[in-house]
Amino acid sequence: SQQGEEDPQALSIQEGENATMNCSYKTSINNLQWYRQNSGRGLVHLILIRSNEREKHSGRLRVTLDTSKKSSSLLITASRAADTASYFCATDAGGADGLTFGKGTHLIIQP
Amino acid sequence: ETGVTQSPTHLIKTRGQQVTLRCSSQSGHNTVSWYQQALGQGPQFIFQYYREEENGRGNFPPRFSGLQFPNYSSELNVNALELDDSALYLCASSISGRSTGELFFGEGSRLTVL
Repeated sequence: SQQGEEDPQALSIQEGENATMNCSYKTSINNLQWYRQNSGRGLVHLILIRSNEREKHSGRLRVTLDTSKKSSSLLITASRAADTASYFCATDAGGADGLTFGKGTHLIIQP
Repeated sequence: ETGVTQSPTHLIKTRGQQVTLRCSSQSGHNTVSWYQQALGQGPQFIFQYYREEENGRGNFPPRFSGLQFPNYSSELNVNALELDDSALYLCASSISGRSTGELFFGEGSRLTVL
């Protein structure tokens, strides 16, 4: 079963604009991670935010976490054509159950 | 490039056959986990190995089994293949015995079951 739900399922924006993706989850977590996947290839880790953190930055990425609402958002600023990919949130509940991924947001950056 | 390598990259099997997929972990990583990603879905956790022992398992039947070797490389075996087993199988390595923390994924093995 998949705990996370990303919203929107697909997003198309112009190069240079900001892209925001949201993720909701159902159970308590230790941390939440965002991954990127290019066209059916392997996943690349982008950022990890722990349950006691509210916001984290990494380059053009900004992640927020609201544990009371069980939601997170990923903001990509000044988007580039190379940012075109699928983005997944994944939660770690702290047990030995691996990461639980959502279905992903497919982001298309129009040049 | 994460340093995690998987083989084969693509393979086609028929229903009822058996398949073995292989994974070499990133240097220094002692934990490997396997995920199944069906088309259009997010990855689903199959199981995790730490120091050659399975220490976590998702909701997959016993015909999905694995091994981890002393050099921390790993195999995923699937017996009695079913059509629904068609998917991208992803291996990920990490440096702890739990899934907490960043996972380093390989490029995956795409299995088609006919």
